[in-house]
Amino acid sequence: GAVVSQHPSRVICKSGTSVKIECRSLDFQATTMFWYRQFPKQSLMLMATSNEGSKATYEQGVEKDKFLINHASLTLSTLTVTSAHPEDSSFYICSARIRTDNYGYTFGSGTRLTVV
Amino acid sequence: GQNIDQPTEMTATEGAIVQINCTYQTSGFNGLFWYQQHAGEAPTFLSYNVLDGLEEKGRFSSFLSRSKGYSYLLLKELQMKDSASYLCAVNDQAGTALIFGKGTTLSVSS
Repeated sequence: GAVVSQHPSRVICKSGTSVKIECRSLDFQATTMFWYRQFPKQSLMLMATSNEGSKATYEQGVEKDKFLINHASLTLSTLTVTSAHPEDSSFYICSARIRTDNYGYTFGSGTRLTVV
Repeated sequence: GQNIDQPTEMTATEGAIVQINCTYQTSGFNGLFWYQQHAGEAPTFLSYNVLDGLEEKGRFSSFLSRSKGYSYLLLKELQMKDSASYLCAVNDQAGTALIFGKGTTLSVSS
C-alpha cells in the first residue's frame, strides 16, 4: 500500500516551453506532498511543500513563479516547470507523508526532465 | 542551519562488511532514515532510528547516537546488487519533509 504514482518518468522539452509533472496517491490520501530536485551525483534537495487546498511553501532560492505547484485534491499534486531552460534539467521526485511500516514517507518513481 | 554529512564514495568487495557514517546538525530531531537509491530511481527505505541504539534488519543494521548527532548504516555479506547510493536523511520536525545528505556511492566488486 501507500503508493505514489508519478508521471511522466522521462520528458524532453524545448527551451521556453512548460512541463507538468503529476503525482497521484493511489491508495491513500496525501494531505502533504513534498517536491524534490536531484542533480547528477547530488542529493535530493527540497523545493517545496504542498498541502491540499492551500498554497505551497517554497524553500529559499526556489522561484515560485517558475515552479508552479498545485495540490487541489487529496490524491493529486502537480509541479509545472514554466519557461524551462537547460539548467532546469534534473530529476524531480515527489514524496508523500503517510503512516506505514516505513515510518511515514513514500516516494514517487521520479521524472527525468531534459530541456534542449 | 541544517547539515548532514556522509562520505561521498566507498568501495568494498563481495562478502565484506561496510559501514557508512552520517553526522547531522539539525534544529530539531524526529528520526533518522537510511535509503538506498539506484541511479534514476526513487529512494528505497532501509531503516529508521529515533532512539539511541542499533536496529537490525537482515543484512542491514543502523545505529543512532542522538547526543553525538551520529548514525551509521552497516551492510553485511555484501552483494554486487548492493552497489548503489545510500542516503542519510533526518526529519527535524514531525510532519515536515526529510532533509537528505548528499549520499554515499558504494561500489561492490567481485
